[in-house]
Parts: sequence; C-alpha cells; structure tokens
Amino acid sequence: QSALTQPASVSGSPGQSITISCTGTNNDVGSYKFVSWYQQHPGKAPKLMIYEVSKRPSGVSDRFSGSKSGNTASLTISGLQVEDEADYYCCSLGGSATVDLFGGGTKLTVL
Amino acid sequence: EVQLVESGGGLVQPGGSLRLSCAASGFTFSNYDMHWIRQATGQGLEWVSAIGESGKTYFSGSVKGRFTISRENVKNSFYLQMNSLTAGDTAVYYCAREGYDEAFDIWGQGTLVTVSS
Repeated sequence: QSALTQPASVSGSPGQSITISCTGTNNDVGSYKFVSWYQQHPGKAPKLMIYEVSKRPSGVSDRFSGSKSGNTASLTISGLQVEDEADYYCCSLGGSATVDLFGGGTKLTVL
Repeated sequence: EVQLVESGGGLVQPGGSLRLSCAASGFTFSNYDMHWIRQATGQGLEWVSAIGESGKTYFSGSVKGRFTISRENVKNSFYLQMNSLTAGDTAVYYCAREGYDEAFDIWGQGTLVTVSS
C-alpha cells in the first residue's frame, strides 16, 4: 500500500488560515470515515488533532477543522498562531480495513 | 496519568532481532487496540503493526513475516518482536493507543532502533 499524498510544505502568516490536503485512493481515504490528523513538533511525539475526518478530541482548539471530499481529506487551521508551526500528518484506514496509512507529512511554517 | 512507555530499543546488527516493550498505565489496557508506529530520522510516520483487544494482529507489508506483535493484559503491556532486521528498519518506534476508531490518542515517547554493523 502506498502512503497518502500531502504537500511537502505550506506557510501562512499569523491570523491567516491554511489548508493541508491529503490525497489517497478509493481503497483508503475514499472508502472510510477513518481519517485522522496529527501535529508533531520537533523531537516530540505526534499529537492527535482530528479523528473520523472532522471530530476534535477534547482539548484541541476549534481553530483546527477537518473535511473530506472523495479521495481527498483536508485539515484547515484558522487564525494561525506561531505555536502551530509543526509537521502535520494525515492517516487513513486502508487495505481492506487491515492496515493504517500515513501521509508523507507537511511542514507548516508560520511566517 | 494516562501514559505509554516504550523500552527495548538499541543497536542491532543486520539480520538480528530485537524485542520492544510498551508499558501502559492510567487506563484499562485490555479495552484498547494498540499500535506500533515508526519514524526514520528526518522522515515521516509509518504504521507498523496493531493488536486488537481480542489479540487479532495486523502488519504493514514492509514487516509482515518478520515482525510479530503480542500483548499481556495482566502486565498492561504489549510487545513487538522484530526479526531479520535491515537498515531500513532503523527508526524511532512509538507505541500508541487507539483511543478512537483508527485514531491514536496516546503516544509513548519513542525508542530508537538502529540496525547497523
């Protein structure tokens, strides 16, 4: 199974909004509601930001939102803050519901 | 406090074996599916393996046949037995709890596995 496709980098200024895409296939993103997003700061373990496409765990800011259309999922961060600068990874169930697939990761720079 | 702590990483020669452990605390371990996810230096996350509450196991294509996963609910722990290791297996290995369907809400701090002669 191939990794999901994310842009290598995105950038934005404080207060702006950005969107990170995550493209898969009919066998993963397109078939399941189980898309999640993770934030990872350098040297730290990943942190769950979104699960089941658009749900936020308790404690995650409502500036983070998720959506999906066809084979592409998206993470939107509104009101960018300096502390949002990190790597972001999407993940989807795939492979006939027997494996999990991650995207290659997107480095967010807050200018 | 809900916590996962990995151990067992280290330096191993190509073709060798290593067993990673993940100790859970602060939650009812037996109620959760558990996963191993790895990250090579400077690279992205790669899902490796999972074990369900029932003990059913799942593996990525890159480790199937070489790695096994097991759990001991009485010890609140699960394990990754890694055999026939290659340089491509060099990475930080994280254990993670599947707290929501197919989403990992609790992660360990990671343990480094280096495969080199």
